[in-house]
Amino acid sequence: QKEVEQNSGPLSVPEGAIASLNCTYSDRGSQSFFWYRQYSGKSPELIMFIYSNGDKEDGRFTAQLNKASQYVSLLIRDSQPSDSATYLCAVYSGGGADGLTFGKGTHLIIQP
Amino acid sequence: DAGVIQSPRHEVTEMGQEVTLRCKPISGHNSLFWYRQTMMRGLELLIYFNNNVPIDDSGMPEDRFSAKMPNASFSTLKIQPSEPRDSAVYFCASTFTAGGNSPLHFGNGTRLTVT
Repeated sequence: QKEVEQNSGPLSVPEGAIASLNCTYSDRGSQSFFWYRQYSGKSPELIMFIYSNGDKEDGRFTAQLNKASQYVSLLIRDSQPSDSATYLCAVYSGGGADGLTFGKGTHLIIQP
Repeated sequence: DAGVIQSPRHEVTEMGQEVTLRCKPISGHNSLFWYRQTMMRGLELLIYFNNNVPIDDSGMPEDRFSAKMPNASFSTLKIQPSEPRDSAVYFCASTFTAGGNSPLHFGNGTRLTVT
């Protein structure tokens, strides 16, 4: 059973600080890693993806991947109240579309 | 690009009734997915289609659930008979390639309540 683990939270961060969201996965053969943001009552939307070890930056968002530790994280700099949402980590392990496994998400609250 | 379109947005029905959820994927996408989301279990893949053909339905809970994709622009998920434990948000998603390497585009979901 391929597992993707996230701390459910809530994770409370003051406005302007860095929010750090973490995700671990069980399958060492995992190839691709995605972060989706889901506002309450809305659908998940993709905000970042990363395939290689290291950091990938996009605006205020940075995804970090460490395959040796089976760990992927999402950093949000200068966090804003509009960043308050649930963040879902998704990991692709190959073998077709059923190889994509979602974590249950971390609920992030940015305090004004 | 209108995005993935799902209907209805909300469905309330009584136990034992038939429920049909509908989805129109993004034009040009060749893979379509049905997910179910609950607080307890998170997002679960029910079934996915590639080029209108069902590839993997191992996530379908039981025979009460069925899905069809008669053409590239339309899919249905049917529950018959419905039960209270089917209450959840059902998402349809589409993408361009069959593999899970491609980001998914989700519809707005159908919130199903079975009483």
